[in-house]
Amino acid sequence: SAVISQKPSRDICQRGTSLTIQCQVDSQVTMMFWYRQQPGQSLTLIATANQGSEATYESGFVIDKFPISRPNLTFSTLTVSNMSPEDSSIYLCSVGQGVNTEAFFGQGTRLTVV
Amino acid sequence: GQQLNQSPQSMFIQEGEDVSMNCTSSSIFNTWLWYKQEPGEGPVLLIALYKAGELTSNGRLTAQFGITRKDSFLNISASIPSDVGIYFCAGPLANSGYALNFGKGTSLLVTP
Repeated sequence: SAVISQKPSRDICQRGTSLTIQCQVDSQVTMMFWYRQQPGQSLTLIATANQGSEATYESGFVIDKFPISRPNLTFSTLTVSNMSPEDSSIYLCSVGQGVNTEAFFGQGTRLTVV
Repeated sequence: GQQLNQSPQSMFIQEGEDVSMNCTSSSIFNTWLWYKQEPGEGPVLLIALYKAGELTSNGRLTAQFGITRKDSFLNISASIPSDVGIYFCAGPLANSGYALNFGKGTSLLVTP
């Protein structure tokens, strides 16, 4: 499976600021996704990062709050904008490979907003 | 929507015991995936199931895809302390390929 690296691994941010999270994959992948995991909760899909076009957002998530870039087949960024304490979560990058629907995850970025 | 109901919510067992957890859905899934997440890490894929009735093992782990394609179980035999973590079932979101819908997870604690 692909090796997925996320940066930063954790951060503490002031409310009202923005944080950009990077996801780097060691091989070209077709599909890249961003998930949010709120404290003690399961994973929820934020959006699909599309290479060369705008990301596809799930219900409840909007581009102004979570802008996403995907400049090539190995890299994507997620920005959490105008942060509030409610944005404190783990943000996870995921990739899909192969003919089966198996998805693999980075180690996550633990964000705390104060 | 495609809700995944996972049970039990948590388990507290002694080393050496067998563990069983399950996942049910209101919708049919073509794939069931089981992940384990340890503190500070992302989920790691344990077992993937693709056919109704399929029974698949990975070491001490065994998972089965229900005949109706609306349920799955995961068994862990002879548990050890490093089995501690949260176990999630997941299935593909409708029309989204590799994007997944996750259950709420089963938290497993193993005492030596």
